[in-house]
Order: sequence, then C-alpha cells, then structure tokens
Amino acid sequence: GQSLEQPSEVTAVEGAIVQINCTYQTSGFYGLSWYQQHDGGAPTFLSYNALDGLEETGRFSSFLSRSDSYGYLLLQELQMKDSASYFCAVRGGGFKTIFGAGTRLFVKA
Amino acid sequence: DVKVTQSSRYLVKRTGEKVFLECVQDMDHENMFWYRQDPGLGLRLIYFSYDVKMKEKGDIPEGYSVSREKKERFSLILESASTNQTSMYLCASSLSGGQNTGELFFGEGSRLTVL
Repeated sequence: GQSLEQPSEVTAVEGAIVQINCTYQTSGFYGLSWYQQHDGGAPTFLSYNALDGLEETGRFSSFLSRSDSYGYLLLQELQMKDSASYFCAVRGGGFKTIFGAGTRLFVKA
Repeated sequence: DVKVTQSSRYLVKRTGEKVFLECVQDMDHENMFWYRQDPGLGLRLIYFSYDVKMKEKGDIPEGYSVSREKKERFSLILESASTNQTSMYLCASSLSGGQNTGELFFGEGSRLTVL
C-alpha cells in the first residue's frame, strides 16, 4: 500500500526552529512536496524536492533522503502566522500525488 | 497567476441526490485532481486526470465518478449522495512533463453536507 506518516501535532515558541518529519511508502516516487494550509483556506505550495538534499526558501527549508524514504520541513524564526497545518505529499507515477494526514503547528508567544 | 475555480463553496444536498462539483482552471494545465479533506485524515485522492477524457482512480473512488470533456474543466459526480460523503472537496491542477515543478494549485474548496 501507499502511506505517508507525519506527526499529528507540533508546538513551538515564536522565534524558535521546528522540524516536521515525513516518512513515506509509495509505489513510484518522483518527488516530495510540502504544503501549508491555514484554517478555512486552501493548501498552498511551499517546496518540492526531487533529489536528495536540502532546498532553502527564505525561512523554510525542505530535505529529502530517497534512500531512507524520509523528508522534513524546517521552519526557522517562527512567527505566529506560521500556525497552520502542514502536509507532505508524494508525487508518484503519472503525476499522481498523495498527501499525508497533516501536522498541526501551534506557535506560542 | 493560476486560478482554480470551484463552482460552489457550500452545498447542502439530500441523501440519494445526484451532485455535481465543477472545477475550472485557467492555466492550460494537463493534470487535474479531486481530493476530499476530512479532519485527521488529510487530503485523500478521489480521481485525477492527466488529459482530456482520461481519468485514473485515486485511493477512494468508490461512490464517485468524474468527467473531463475539456482541458480546463474537471467535474466530480456523486451519483447518489450519502451522508458519509459529507466533506470538504478540493480541486487542484498541475503542469505535466518537464514543466512540472511538483506544485499543485488548489481551488478554495467546496464544502458539501449531505442530510
């Protein structure tokens, strides 16, 4: 079967660094994406890793290890507005894309 | 900017009714997707399409069908709505081939309640 595992909830304080992990088991793998979703809003794209290594985009970085079927999203200098749900997603064959159950991030002052 | 538009933000239907959810994208994307989102379960793929008249089942296709007669439009059909289909439905689109950056563009969602 296909599955993505990520923690259901993470809490951190403003200004801190938080890492959200994602492990996957899928048939066919082309890349790992991360999305942010605020309550009542649509998911918005954050990053995509097709190759092993770290991708940095401002305060957000994403890492992939294909051999370990593992990736993570790193959020630095946390702000209150980062409180949201974060989803990892795997792009498989034929552009089929499946999502994890999401991680709820709470940022405290 | 890419725009994915879902026809209805909120719908209330009765058990047994036929329900159509429409989605239109304006960026000539080849791939289109329908997901449902439920608390604690994330986004689950119902169907996706990689070309006009082409469709592939996702992880939870039972009770749903789709139609893609034009490239810009992807419709989700509930032939006979049931209460367990009460959910948020999200449509998305993406580029295909070498232009694909892994990004899906989502619509605002359609919240369906089946009574």
